[in-house]
Amino acid sequence: EVQLVESGGGLVQPGGSLRLSCAASGFTFSNYEMNWVRQAPGKGLEWVSYISSSGSTIYYADSVKGRFTISRDNAKNSLYLQMNSLRAEDTAVYYCARDLGIDYWGQGTLVTVSS
Amino acid sequence: QSALTQPASVSGSPGQSITISCTGTSSDVGGYNYVSWYQHHPGKAPKLMIYEVSNRPSGVSNRFSGSKSGNTASLTISGLQAEDEADYYCSSYTSSSPVVFGGGTKLTVL
Repeated sequence: EVQLVESGGGLVQPGGSLRLSCAASGFTFSNYEMNWVRQAPGKGLEWVSYISSSGSTIYYADSVKGRFTISRDNAKNSLYLQMNSLRAEDTAVYYCARDLGIDYWGQGTLVTVSS
Repeated sequence: QSALTQPASVSGSPGQSITISCTGTSSDVGGYNYVSWYQHHPGKAPKLMIYEVSNRPSGVSNRFSGSKSGNTASLTISGLQAEDEADYYCSSYTSSSPVVFGGGTKLTVL
């Protein structure tokens, strides 16, 4: 069974940093592209970032470019999102999602940016 | 990276059929057969219902079907059931980024 479990969310002040993790199991992680997707309170889904299976190709949404960094460790079956210079508008549930045509999602982790 | 356009809400009675549209451009929906649809119950992980315009993953009811014409994709749910009440999102591959989502449609089963 495919499982994606996010962690690392929490309350952070504007301008602060947070690192999200996603532990993958039930499939060969190193064979799959991965994404981060977020949903702000009362809003729709927003794609945040993509990383290829090897980590060599990376894309970001314009709203996070230059502030967020996606990475992965295939030996640890883990996906990461380093979030710096956080803003109030980054408040959202962050989902880890498998593949370019997203087929599986985690349950999400809540990030709240507030003073 | 503009979001795809979906109606904010649709509704239907049990047993009826509804259709949710998802309008993009030739750079996303119209240019690729990589449109997916997701069902999202609040507080739960989104669930893939349709991939590559019209394909159903294993385990998804055949009451759910997808299609595309030009720059507009559609999700049809037939034989509406109370459990279908949820938010529905379309997504597409795009020429400028791997994924773009629609704004979401709230389905109410009356």
